[in-house]
Amino acid sequence: DTGVSQDPRHKITKRGQNVTFRCDPISEHNRLYWYRQTLGQGPEFLTYFQNEAQLEKSRLLSDRFSAERPKGSFSTLEIQRTEQGDSAMYLCASSLSRGSLGYGYTFGSGTRLTVV
Amino acid sequence: AQSVTQPDIHITVSEGASLELRCNYSYGATPYLFWYVQSPGQGLQLLLKYFSGDTLVQGIKGFEAEFKRSQSSFNLRKPSVHWSDAAEYFCAVGASGNTGKLIFGQGTTLQVKP
Repeated sequence: DTGVSQDPRHKITKRGQNVTFRCDPISEHNRLYWYRQTLGQGPEFLTYFQNEAQLEKSRLLSDRFSAERPKGSFSTLEIQRTEQGDSAMYLCASSLSRGSLGYGYTFGSGTRLTVV
Repeated sequence: AQSVTQPDIHITVSEGASLELRCNYSYGATPYLFWYVQSPGQGLQLLLKYFSGDTLVQGIKGFEAEFKRSQSSFNLRKPSVHWSDAAEYFCAVGASGNTGKLIFGQGTTLQVKP
């Protein structure tokens, strides 16, 4: 297992288009997290899954955003009708849910979205 | 509400000099604390973490951090900085509720002068 993989690494899209990102976590990790990082800021929590269940969503996640983890393995994050304010790095991370191990993240390299 | 403050947005040190990056947190109970490093265009790599026990924790790449409850601080230190340490550093606290969610500070950009 080579860690957390994110695809694509970069995405440029026109305003109003829909985009979808994929995250493949470490195979034995049952938790998967999505964060958003804008320029000059720390990552901000968007949502997380334990197995296939989405357990928490941030208020940052407007109704244009949807995330899925259908079989408890990979996850997708879709943004509909993109806006320039959606331009950011989208980071995925995975971990185990056992106590403090739940905080032992492995991050992917991220998908950088640019909306023009 | 839980929060993390990194007072220094940008720090420049000379190669070989010592480094201290500051982090203050706000959290009611004993926190889980983390330092991550991010190179340009990359994801985050965990440097070290504090859950409990010894308040001085050792991490990778020669970094260490000290948890001081009385000061609500978790400062990162390195005795001798290398040019390859130039990157952005983030302090984070684990949110309550065992969700695994992290709350990050704004980050400190480290520049290393030759």
